[in-house]
Amino acid sequence: GNSVTQMEGPVTLSEEAFLTINCTYTATGYPSLFWYVQYPGEGLQLLLKATKADDKGSNKGFEATYRKETTSFHLEKGSVQVSDSAVYFCALTTNTGNQFYFGTGTSLTVIP
Amino acid sequence: DTGVSQDPRHKITKRGQNVTFRCDPISEHNRLYWYRQTLGQGPEFLTYFQNEAQLEKSRLLSDRFSAERPKGSFSTLEIQRTEQGDSAMYLCASSLTVMNTEAFFGQGTRLTVV
Repeated sequence: GNSVTQMEGPVTLSEEAFLTINCTYTATGYPSLFWYVQYPGEGLQLLLKATKADDKGSNKGFEATYRKETTSFHLEKGSVQVSDSAVYFCALTTNTGNQFYFGTGTSLTVIP
Repeated sequence: DTGVSQDPRHKITKRGQNVTFRCDPISEHNRLYWYRQTLGQGPEFLTYFQNEAQLEKSRLLSDRFSAERPKGSFSTLEIQRTEQGDSAMYLCASSLTVMNTEAFFGQGTRLTVV
Protein backbone atom coordinates (compact mmCIF):
# COMPACT_ATOMS: atom_id res chain seq x y z
CA GLY A 1 0.00 0.00 0.00
CA ASN A 2 0.87 3.68 0.11
CA SER A 3 2.03 5.45 3.24
CA VAL A 4 4.30 8.18 4.55
CA THR A 5 6.33 8.15 7.74
CA GLN A 6 7.85 11.32 9.01
CA MET A 7 9.96 12.36 11.91
CA GLU A 8 8.19 12.81 15.20
CA GLY A 9 8.15 16.28 16.66
CA PRO A 10 8.05 18.74 18.08
CA VAL A 11 11.31 20.24 16.91
CA THR A 12 12.68 23.39 18.51
CA LEU A 13 15.59 25.23 16.93
CA SER A 14 17.34 28.51 17.41
CA GLU A 15 17.21 31.04 14.61
CA GLU A 16 19.79 30.37 11.87
CA ALA A 17 20.13 26.70 12.83
CA PHE A 18 20.11 23.92 10.23
CA LEU A 19 16.85 22.01 9.80
CA THR A 20 16.26 18.44 8.72
CA ILE A 21 12.87 16.75 8.88
CA ASN A 22 12.99 13.12 7.83
CA CYS A 23 10.37 11.56 5.58
CA THR A 24 10.24 8.06 4.16
CA TYR A 25 7.53 6.53 2.03
CA THR A 26 6.04 3.30 0.76
CA ALA A 27 4.27 3.41 -2.57
CA THR A 28 3.06 1.31 -5.45
CA GLY A 29 4.14 2.57 -8.81
CA TYR A 30 5.91 5.88 -9.21
CA PRO A 31 4.70 8.43 -6.68
CA SER A 32 5.08 12.18 -6.65
CA LEU A 33 6.28 13.60 -3.36
CA PHE A 34 5.34 16.83 -1.62
CA TRP A 35 6.02 18.91 1.43
CA TYR A 36 3.14 20.99 2.70
CA VAL A 37 3.31 23.60 5.46
CA GLN A 38 0.53 24.63 7.82
CA TYR A 39 0.85 27.88 9.71
CA PRO A 40 -1.29 28.38 12.83
CA GLY A 41 -4.95 28.83 11.97
CA GLU A 42 -4.39 28.33 8.26
CA GLY A 43 -4.85 25.60 5.66
CA LEU A 44 -2.13 23.51 4.08
CA GLN A 45 0.10 25.24 1.57
CA LEU A 46 2.37 23.52 -0.88
CA LEU A 47 6.00 24.15 0.02
CA LEU A 48 7.73 22.09 -2.64
CA LYS A 49 7.39 18.97 -4.74
CA ALA A 50 9.32 16.41 -6.77
CA THR A 51 7.78 14.14 -9.37
CA LYS A 52 10.52 11.66 -10.21
CA ALA A 53 13.62 10.07 -8.77
CA ASP A 54 16.58 12.39 -8.14
CA ASP A 55 14.44 15.50 -8.63
CA LYS A 56 15.11 18.24 -6.12
CA GLY A 57 12.25 20.45 -5.04
CA SER A 58 13.06 23.84 -3.58
CA ASN A 59 11.24 26.91 -2.33
CA LYS A 60 11.89 29.69 0.20
CA GLY A 61 15.27 28.19 1.11
CA PHE A 62 13.82 24.73 1.75
CA GLU A 63 14.98 21.75 -0.29
CA ALA A 64 14.12 18.07 -0.58
CA THR A 65 15.51 15.41 -2.94
CA TYR A 66 13.48 12.43 -4.16
CA ARG A 67 15.62 9.41 -3.29
CA LYS A 68 14.16 6.26 -4.78
CA GLU A 69 16.91 3.98 -3.47
CA THR A 70 16.19 4.96 0.14
CA THR A 71 12.49 5.83 -0.43
CA SER A 72 13.08 9.16 1.26
CA PHE A 73 12.25 12.83 0.77
CA HIS A 74 13.90 14.64 3.67
CA LEU A 75 13.24 18.36 4.09
CA GLU A 76 16.21 20.65 4.76
CA LYS A 77 16.89 24.31 5.28
CA GLY A 78 20.27 25.80 5.97
CA SER A 79 19.21 28.66 8.22
CA VAL A 80 15.75 28.74 9.78
CA GLN A 81 13.89 31.89 10.75
CA VAL A 82 11.25 32.53 13.39
CA SER A 83 8.72 32.85 10.55
CA ASP A 84 9.35 29.20 9.60
CA SER A 85 7.57 28.07 12.77
CA ALA A 86 4.75 25.84 11.51
CA VAL A 87 3.73 22.22 11.06
CA TYR A 88 5.29 20.44 8.09
CA PHE A 89 3.65 17.50 6.32
CA CYS A 90 5.23 15.08 3.91
CA ALA A 91 2.82 13.63 1.35
CA LEU A 92 2.65 11.50 -1.75
CA THR A 93 0.26 10.80 -4.57
CA THR A 94 0.38 8.11 -7.22
CA ASN A 95 -0.22 8.28 -10.95
CA THR A 96 -3.98 8.05 -10.53
CA GLY A 97 -4.10 11.16 -8.35
CA ASN A 98 -7.13 9.80 -6.54
CA GLN A 99 -5.70 10.36 -3.10
CA PHE A 100 -2.91 12.14 -1.29
CA TYR A 101 -1.27 10.28 1.58
CA PHE A 102 0.06 12.38 4.43
CA GLY A 103 2.47 11.85 7.27
CA THR A 104 1.48 12.82 10.80
CA GLY A 105 3.23 16.18 10.61
CA THR A 106 6.25 17.66 12.36
CA SER A 107 5.82 20.79 14.43
CA LEU A 108 8.72 23.22 14.17
CA THR A 109 9.28 26.11 16.55
CA VAL A 110 12.12 28.52 15.88
CA ILE A 111 13.20 30.70 18.77
CA PRO A 112 15.06 34.00 18.41
CA ASP B 1 -8.48 33.13 -8.70
CA THR B 2 -9.47 33.11 -5.05
CA GLY B 3 -8.32 29.61 -4.24
CA VAL B 4 -10.34 26.89 -2.56
CA SER B 5 -13.11 28.29 -0.40
CA GLN B 6 -14.84 26.49 2.46
CA ASP B 7 -17.93 27.49 4.38
CA PRO B 8 -18.50 27.79 7.26
CA ARG B 9 -15.09 28.23 8.86
CA HIS B 10 -16.39 27.12 12.22
CA LYS B 11 -19.39 25.08 13.27
CA ILE B 12 -20.54 24.14 16.75
CA THR B 13 -23.34 21.63 16.91
CA LYS B 14 -25.07 19.46 19.45
CA ARG B 15 -24.60 15.73 19.36
CA GLY B 16 -27.18 14.09 17.16
CA GLN B 17 -27.67 17.06 14.85
CA ASN B 18 -26.89 17.03 11.13
CA VAL B 19 -24.34 19.39 9.63
CA THR B 20 -23.42 20.28 6.07
CA PHE B 21 -20.23 21.88 4.83
CA ARG B 22 -19.59 23.46 1.46
CA CYS B 23 -16.45 23.58 -0.65
CA ASP B 24 -15.87 25.70 -3.73
CA PRO B 25 -12.78 24.47 -5.58
CA ILE B 26 -10.55 26.43 -7.92
CA SER B 27 -12.69 26.90 -11.00
CA GLU B 28 -10.76 24.88 -13.57
CA HIS B 29 -10.00 21.99 -11.20
CA ASN B 30 -11.85 18.77 -11.98
CA ARG B 31 -10.57 16.84 -8.99
CA LEU B 32 -11.93 17.48 -5.52
CA TYR B 33 -10.97 15.84 -2.22
CA TRP B 34 -12.27 15.87 1.32
CA TYR B 35 -9.99 15.20 4.26
CA ARG B 36 -10.39 15.20 8.03
CA GLN B 37 -7.68 16.40 10.37
CA THR B 38 -7.57 16.01 14.13
CA LEU B 39 -5.15 17.72 16.48
CA GLY B 40 -1.61 16.52 16.06
CA GLN B 41 -2.42 14.29 13.10
CA GLY B 42 -2.00 14.50 9.38
CA PRO B 43 -4.98 14.88 7.06
CA GLU B 44 -6.98 11.68 6.73
CA PHE B 45 -8.57 10.94 3.36
CA LEU B 46 -12.37 10.80 3.21
CA THR B 47 -13.42 10.92 -0.42
CA TYR B 48 -12.50 11.98 -3.97
CA PHE B 49 -14.45 13.32 -6.93
CA GLN B 50 -13.54 13.53 -10.56
CA ASN B 51 -16.01 16.10 -11.89
CA GLU B 52 -19.38 14.97 -10.46
CA ALA B 53 -18.40 11.32 -10.04
CA GLN B 54 -17.40 10.11 -6.58
CA LEU B 55 -14.60 7.71 -7.50
CA GLU B 56 -13.00 6.93 -4.18
CA LYS B 57 -14.32 6.68 -0.65
CA SER B 58 -12.39 5.80 2.47
CA ARG B 59 -13.36 2.59 4.21
CA LEU B 60 -13.15 4.59 7.41
CA LEU B 61 -16.04 6.77 6.26
CA SER B 62 -19.14 5.73 8.15
CA ASP B 63 -22.62 5.67 6.64
CA ARG B 64 -23.39 8.90 8.49
CA PHE B 65 -21.10 10.76 6.09
CA SER B 66 -22.16 11.63 2.57
CA ALA B 67 -20.62 13.89 -0.03
CA GLU B 68 -21.92 15.25 -3.30
CA ARG B 69 -20.67 17.28 -6.19
CA PRO B 70 -23.80 17.58 -8.28
CA LYS B 71 -22.60 19.73 -11.17
CA GLY B 72 -18.92 19.05 -10.95
CA SER B 73 -18.25 22.39 -9.35
CA PHE B 74 -18.89 22.94 -5.63
CA SER B 75 -19.19 20.03 -3.21
CA THR B 76 -21.01 19.41 0.04
CA LEU B 77 -20.13 17.09 2.90
CA GLU B 78 -22.95 16.13 5.22
CA ILE B 79 -22.60 14.41 8.58
CA GLN B 80 -25.78 12.98 10.01
CA ARG B 81 -26.40 12.31 13.71
CA THR B 82 -23.11 13.88 14.73
CA GLU B 83 -21.03 12.33 17.49
CA GLN B 84 -18.35 13.88 19.66
CA GLY B 85 -15.76 11.87 17.77
CA ASP B 86 -16.66 13.80 14.62
CA SER B 87 -15.07 16.93 16.08
CA ALA B 88 -12.23 17.77 13.73
CA MET B 89 -11.07 20.09 10.97
CA TYR B 90 -12.62 19.15 7.62
CA LEU B 91 -10.42 20.09 4.70
CA CYS B 92 -11.32 20.37 1.06
CA ALA B 93 -8.75 20.35 -1.72
CA SER B 94 -8.82 20.49 -5.49
CA SER B 95 -6.42 19.82 -8.32
CA LEU B 96 -6.13 19.66 -12.06
CA THR B 97 -6.58 16.37 -13.88
CA VAL B 98 -2.89 16.14 -14.61
CA MET B 99 -0.49 13.48 -13.46
CA ASN B 100 1.79 14.28 -10.54
CA THR B 101 0.23 17.62 -9.73
CA GLU B 102 -0.34 19.09 -6.31
CA ALA B 103 -3.61 19.62 -4.49
CA PHE B 104 -4.63 23.07 -3.29
CA PHE B 105 -6.29 23.19 0.09
CA GLY B 106 -8.93 25.42 1.59
CA GLN B 107 -8.66 26.78 5.10
CA GLY B 108 -10.99 24.14 6.45
CA THR B 109 -14.16 23.95 8.50
CA ARG B 110 -13.62 23.33 12.19
CA LEU B 111 -16.44 21.22 13.62
CA THR B 112 -17.04 20.99 17.35
CA VAL B 113 -19.70 18.58 18.56
CA VAL B 114 -20.88 19.26 22.10
